Amino acid sequence: RKEVEQDPGPFNVPEGATVAFNCTYSNSASQSFFWYRQDCRKEPKLLMSVYSSGNEDGRFTAQLNRASQYISLLIRDSKLSDSATYLCAVNIPGTYKYIFGTGTRLKVLA
Amino acid sequence: DTAVSQTPKYLVTQMGNDKSIKCEQNLGHDTMYWYKQDSKKFLKIMFSYNNKELIINETVPNRFSPKSPDKAHLNLHINSLELGDSAVYFCASSLRGYEQYFGPGTRLTVT
Repeated sequence: RKEVEQDPGPFNVPEGATVAFNCTYSNSASQSFFWYRQDCRKEPKLLMSVYSSGNEDGRFTAQLNRASQYISLLIRDSKLSDSATYLCAVNIPGTYKYIFGTGTRLKVLA
Repeated sequence: DTAVSQTPKYLVTQMGNDKSIKCEQNLGHDTMYWYKQDSKKFLKIMFSYNNKELIINETVPNRFSPKSPDKAHLNLHINSLELGDSAVYFCASSLRGYEQYFGPGTRLTVT
């Protein structure tokens, strides 16, 4: 099993739709998780942290499922500007090292 | 107001040359990283420094040598460049290993 896995997509959704991505991780002791957004030819930008209790920021909700070892990102009321690649980052316990997923590509269609 | 900056943004060079990339952060972070993102978009960590001390040193050819003169700066020197070194190199910083903030990237093309 890969350390961190994401469905590469693309997820093609119409404007206004709700879309969710998952990111599975193999190390059950991982404690820190993040979602990043990366636009074409740009750097990854921090979107949100993922807390045990879940985290919501406007249209975005991140959740952690420790039992099944995955994190999720839910985007409600999708906008054209949400089109990007979404990367998850999972901490290696006891280190400052993060493993990034290969990303899930989202295309929001008009 | 740039938080994490890198120079140069683009670097085109020939095989066998030696080149350096510089990174600076003004966030007051104590940890800095170098990542390589290849053509398949996989973002892979190369090195990390915490308070000028090397703490992550992945399996990277020894042609790559990082250097951190202080907490705010992390440079990457690459000797004898090869075609396979072509990629985008990102610098990032964090505080105590939490959320990372990335620089704009250096697009290296080796011909």
